[in-house]
Amino acid sequence: DVQLVESGGALVQPGGSLRLSCAASGFTFSGHWMSWVRQAPGQGLEWVANIKEDGGVTHYVDSVKGRFTISRDNAKNSLYLQMSSLRAEDTAVYSCARDLHYDGSGSGYCFDSWGQGTLVTVSS
Amino acid sequence: DIQMTQSPSSLSASVGDRVTITCRASQSISSYLNWYQQKPGKAPKLLIYAASSLQSGVPSRFSGSGSGTDFTLTISSLQPEDFATYSCQQTYSNPGTFGQGTKLEIQ
Repeated sequence: DVQLVESGGALVQPGGSLRLSCAASGFTFSGHWMSWVRQAPGQGLEWVANIKEDGGVTHYVDSVKGRFTISRDNAKNSLYLQMSSLRAEDTAVYSCARDLHYDGSGSGYCFDSWGQGTLVTVSS
Repeated sequence: DIQMTQSPSSLSASVGDRVTITCRASQSISSYLNWYQQKPGKAPKLLIYAASSLQSGVPSRFSGSGSGTDFTLTISSLQPEDFATYSCQQTYSNPGTFGQGTKLEIQ
C-alpha cells in the first residue's frame, strides 16, 4: 500500500525556519512528481509546490516563492519542504501528495495519495 | 490564478438522498477538474479526476460531469460514510487551485 508520512511540523516564531519531511513507501517514489499541499485552520486546500521525478523541475505558489524550497532524495524515498521567513499566514497542516499524471498534457494530473499532514504554527 | 467556487458551502441531507455539488471555474479549464473527499483528521481522498473519471476503488454512486467552467459531483444515494467535506481542484494552469469546500452533513 502507498504510504506517505509527514514529519517536522512545530510551533515557530514569525521569521523563523522549518524543514518538513515526507517519507514515502509502497510505490516507486522516483517515478512520480510529488507535491506539498496545505490547509489553514478552517480554510480550503492550497497547493504549495511540486517537484518533478528527478528533482530537476519545481513550481511554487506565488505566496511562498523565494521563501520555500521543495526537494527530494530518491535514494531515501523522501520529500522535503524547507520553509524560511515564515509568516502567520503560513500556519496550516502541510501534507505531501503523490501526483498522478493521467495524460501527457501537463495539465492532466491529480493527487491520488496523500499523507495525513503535519501542523505548522507560526506565532510569537 | 483561476478561482474555483463551490456551491453550496454546506449541505444537509439524509441517507439515501441524491446530492449534487457544483464547482465553477473563473475561466475555462476544459476537463481538468478533480474532486476529493476529506473527513476530519484524515487525508483527502481522490474521487473523480478529469471531470468524470472515477478513481479506482471509489463506489459507483459517485459521479462527475461538466467541462469548460461548470462542473458537478453527484452522489446518487447517500451512505453514512459519505458525510464529509468535498473539494474540487482545477489543474488546467498553475497553481492548481481548489474550491473552498462543501461540507455535507447529516440532516
